[in-house]
Amino acid sequence: GAGVSQSPSNKVTEKGKDVELRCDPISGHTALYWYRQSLGQGLEFLIYFQGNSAPDKSGLPSDRFSAERTGGSVSTLTIQRTQQEDSAVYLCASSLVAGAQETQYFGPGTRLLVL
Amino acid sequence: LAKTTQPISMDSYEGQEVNITCSHNNIATNDYITWYQQFPSQGPRFIIQGYKTKVTNEVASLFIPADRKSSTLSLPRVSLSDTAVYYCLVGLGPDSNYQLIWGAGTKLIIKP
Repeated sequence: GAGVSQSPSNKVTEKGKDVELRCDPISGHTALYWYRQSLGQGLEFLIYFQGNSAPDKSGLPSDRFSAERTGGSVSTLTIQRTQQEDSAVYLCASSLVAGAQETQYFGPGTRLLVL
Repeated sequence: LAKTTQPISMDSYEGQEVNITCSHNNIATNDYITWYQQFPSQGPRFIIQGYKTKVTNEVASLFIPADRKSSTLSLPRVSLSDTAVYYCLVGLGPDSNYQLIWGAGTKLIIKP
């Protein structure tokens, strides 16, 4: 594909509801990353996938957060029982393979607002 | 676990050279140092990467001393369009517990 795409671009939900965020990486990229960015803040690394595997899930903020990737392509980040503090921009990135030397290409993000 | 520290903000003027330093005292042997640029309402984009010494590309230079405990991003002759937030990134390997350690970002404002 032309670049990393994310959907929805904006999501407004009520506290307590579940939300699902989707990331479609660049075709052929085996590594995929999820980040959270609160307003005016830096990037908080959540999780990354190499293929369908996530080597370390300890970056996820709580057990309400989960992520999966199937078929080595699309990934979904699910937030259960959303809280107001979950409001942020959720960014997805992909790279050819996982590794410190690999350039990450970012999507435009999903802006989540929990009322 | 490596931690990165960078200035919160910097100001400069068009045509000047800007240097932004990031400290990463606990950088692991296998870690690379990468810098990204972020404009409002966009995802970050890659600027430059290095492991040691000096790296230069068409937009920036990256200086890394021998001990690798810091790195300096150098932007030559900045313009108004260089106003953005700049992040340094260290890590992603078994030595870093597979974590990506991002700095908090330096907000660079270029004035006319």
